[in-house]
Amino acid sequence: GNSVTQMEGPVTLSEEAFLTINCTYTATGYPSLFWYVQYPGEGLQLLLKATKADDKGSNKGFEATYRKETTSFHLEKGSVQVSDSAVYFCALESRYQLIWGAGTKLIIKP
Amino acid sequence: DVKVTQSSRYLVKRTGEKVFLECVQDMDHENMFWYRQDPGLGLRLIYFSYDVKMKEKGDIPEGYSVSREKKERFSLILESASTNQTSMYLCASSSSGDYGYTFGSGTRLTVV
Repeated sequence: GNSVTQMEGPVTLSEEAFLTINCTYTATGYPSLFWYVQYPGEGLQLLLKATKADDKGSNKGFEATYRKETTSFHLEKGSVQVSDSAVYFCALESRYQLIWGAGTKLIIKP
Repeated sequence: DVKVTQSSRYLVKRTGEKVFLECVQDMDHENMFWYRQDPGLGLRLIYFSYDVKMKEKGDIPEGYSVSREKKERFSLILESASTNQTSMYLCASSSSGDYGYTFGSGTRLTVV
């Protein structure tokens, strides 16, 4: 069946460091792919999405490219800030639902 | 600003009580979902609904039921609350044409 695998956290970085959070998926066809972010004490917010192969989603300095060759959708940001500290979830669309990764906690230290 | 509103941010209930968690969306979305979120277990789908009066079991429906009498409202019911239902509950909605979800802020339920 369809599934999403994310790198385990927590990921701890210093401010202005480069961020990569890995996400790989298993799916039939070419589903839409998503990254969501959850700030402490809040619900999840859509960060970015890509609907077909080679699409790049971007928002708030974050980017992710839909790679069908490697079945990956890694999240990247060139220079992280303390305010980026949150839990990040990768997800894929499957028959009107989203299949979720386990989430990766990101901690940014000043 | 479009949104999904959950009626309570924090709730404390006693074991055996019947608990209602309410969720309302103003985006005319067809699909609505209830998840619970626990440390180390990620998001687990409890129930979802594709339309008014329609409901489908998710991965962990035991001990829960739902009601969707109107398109904008999706209620989660704990028939007899137990301590293992202490959790963060998240409601979400989506349009059938776009699978991106909009989430509510969550309800942190404690059963004592």
